[in-house]
Amino acid sequence: GAGVSQSPSNKVTEKGKDVELRCDPISGHTALYWYRQRLGQGLEFLIYFQGNSAPDKSGLPSDRFSAERTGESVSTLTIQRTQQEDSAVYLCALHQGGLTGELFFGEGSRLTVL
Amino acid sequence: QKEVEQDPGPLSVPEGAIVSLNCTYSNSAFQYFMWYRQYSRKGPELLMYTYSSGNKEDGRFTAQVDKSSKYISLFIRDSQPSDSATYLCAMTNTGGFKTIFGAGTRLFVKA
Repeated sequence: GAGVSQSPSNKVTEKGKDVELRCDPISGHTALYWYRQRLGQGLEFLIYFQGNSAPDKSGLPSDRFSAERTGESVSTLTIQRTQQEDSAVYLCALHQGGLTGELFFGEGSRLTVL
Repeated sequence: QKEVEQDPGPLSVPEGAIVSLNCTYSNSAFQYFMWYRQYSRKGPELLMYTYSSGNKEDGRFTAQVDKSSKYISLFIRDSQPSDSATYLCAMTNTGGFKTIFGAGTRLFVKA
């Protein structure tokens, strides 16, 4: 999607390995989200960054998941000791502002844990 | 109970058919209701949004919200093969933060 670059686009890893997924906003946006989309399912909220405020981590499924963002720049989502149930597409989205809450999504990082 | 319920389908229709996609929700605080379209291996893109109850029309697409029933719909008229995608309903409270998504309905329009 325009304005959001995610890498890697595909990642295959072995169970127990750590992975890092990257979201690079092409233009500055204060609000950034991570969502997870399992095969055939909807989007599951993971974490939300808003400027310099404390992130809303309420969607992170376990302490193996963490995310960082500095200012309005790159965000990284880290999954430690990956499990097969972590296999999913991880989507980064930017909130442009305004009342409607329109989100601009990247194309996602497809993670497969063997 | 999930906050948003959406039948995942798949839904298969012939070209030219009228398609009806629906979601129900439980949180009465939701104010903004959206439909996103997601093509295979792509991120979702906003298709339409509606504030509170009522209808909104954009070309072949009509979005309806009934807050009293906590029920939202998307209608597609004269459906085309290019409409084949997954349609996700989404909603949020005022301010647009922490959008909640439905499971998405996979739609196939056959030529």
